[in-house]
Amino acid sequence: ILNVEQSPQSLHVQEGDSTNFTCSFPSSNFYALHWYRWETAKSPEALFVMTLNGDEKKKGRISATLNTKEGYSYLYIKGSQPEDSATYLCALNTGNQFYFGTGTSLTVIP
Amino acid sequence: NAGVTQTPKFQVLKTGQSMTLQCAQDMNHEYMSWYRQDPGMGLRLIHYSVGAGITDQGEVPNGYNVSRSTTEDFPLRLLSAAPSQTSVYFCASSSMATNEKLFFGSGTQLSVL
Repeated sequence: ILNVEQSPQSLHVQEGDSTNFTCSFPSSNFYALHWYRWETAKSPEALFVMTLNGDEKKKGRISATLNTKEGYSYLYIKGSQPEDSATYLCALNTGNQFYFGTGTSLTVIP
Repeated sequence: NAGVTQTPKFQVLKTGQSMTLQCAQDMNHEYMSWYRQDPGMGLRLIHYSVGAGITDQGEVPNGYNVSRSTTEDFPLRLLSAAPSQTSVYFCASSSMATNEKLFFGSGTQLSVL
């Protein structure tokens, strides 16, 4: 069992604020690192899949970075909007198995 | 495309009953998997399959059986339901490419009384 940790557990920000979350994982079992966005009453949807140390991915106002040597990934949201409110999950892929963190719950206050 | 179809959406069982959660995907994905979601915990892998005829255990396999007779279908069986199996279950599939994401079903909320 591998421990994937996410922080903070929850976050409330004002509309327009930028924010970031952290995902920490054991670097020795790394194959890929995934980020998912999970809205209430829906299923998780993929944001990014990163495989290489130093990877940076961007999708609109959301971006992510990866450091496989020290075992962490950051997710950034620039200019948060109310529709960004969701739980953001990261998952370590060790090849055939996925280990999910408990998520960061983001609430963007209009 | 339907993507990943999971049924039923809700189910209530009595302790000791058996049931099968269905999962089907129409994307020709080799990889299929089952997770459970419990309060305060991340999604935990129950079983997974990398192709028809191949299954393996994940993090929390006890009390669950799976089979993969076709590429499309990956049912999860509870042989004798226990209250500890009350949870929300998600099926997910993916191609086996390194950078391919998981596609999730809509989830099954299971209560075992």
